[in-house]
Amino acid sequence: QQKVQQSPESLTVSEGAMASLNCTFSDGTSNNFRWYRQHSAKGLEVLVSIFSDGEKEEGRFTAHLNRANLHVSLHIREPQPSDSAVYLCAVSIRSNNRIFFGDGTQLVVKP
Amino acid sequence: DPKIIQKPKYLVAVTGSEKILICEQYLGHNAMYWYRQSAKKPLEFMFSYSYQKLMDNQTASSRFQPQSSKKNHLDLQITALKPDDSATYFCASSQQITEVFFGKGTRLTVV
Repeated sequence: QQKVQQSPESLTVSEGAMASLNCTFSDGTSNNFRWYRQHSAKGLEVLVSIFSDGEKEEGRFTAHLNRANLHVSLHIREPQPSDSAVYLCAVSIRSNNRIFFGDGTQLVVKP
Repeated sequence: DPKIIQKPKYLVAVTGSEKILICEQYLGHNAMYWYRQSAKKPLEFMFSYSYQKLMDNQTASSRFQPQSSKKNHLDLQITALKPDDSATYFCASSQQITEVFFGKGTRLTVV
């Protein structure tokens, strides 16, 4: 069974400083990676999807994937207080859309 | 406008009772899913349906039964409710293996 682990558990950054979140996964055949954001009492908002090694940018959000190291990260450029939320790493195999989620990183952006 | 509608938003049920969680999607997707998020646990995959047929089931208990009366509907019937069933239940949908979009969830509390 796939295991997805996120670090840190919580992160506080100042507005405008880069925020970096990490995610490791256990199944090396995984080939579909997404980062979601979850504001309290709301649904999940997909931020960026990445399918091959390297980086993928969507606005202020950049995902980096290194499948050999079983690692995917999310970098948030110029975070704002409205970015404060739980960020979820989601990993799946493209032929099977069963998504495995990490526990999340609680991000707090201070003005 | 929300494209994936889950009803109700909040639900309180008595132990032993039966409830149905409603999900409708207006994205034209042919695949729908249910996920569960319990306190202090990551989001967990429960079921996936494609063209109204069950594709994957990771829920051990037969008390959880998806029901698909229309292509864009996937309701979740839960019988003999237990306090451990308390969680937020998320419905999701996708077109084949592309992006998976989530609803805002139904928060179920079993007392």
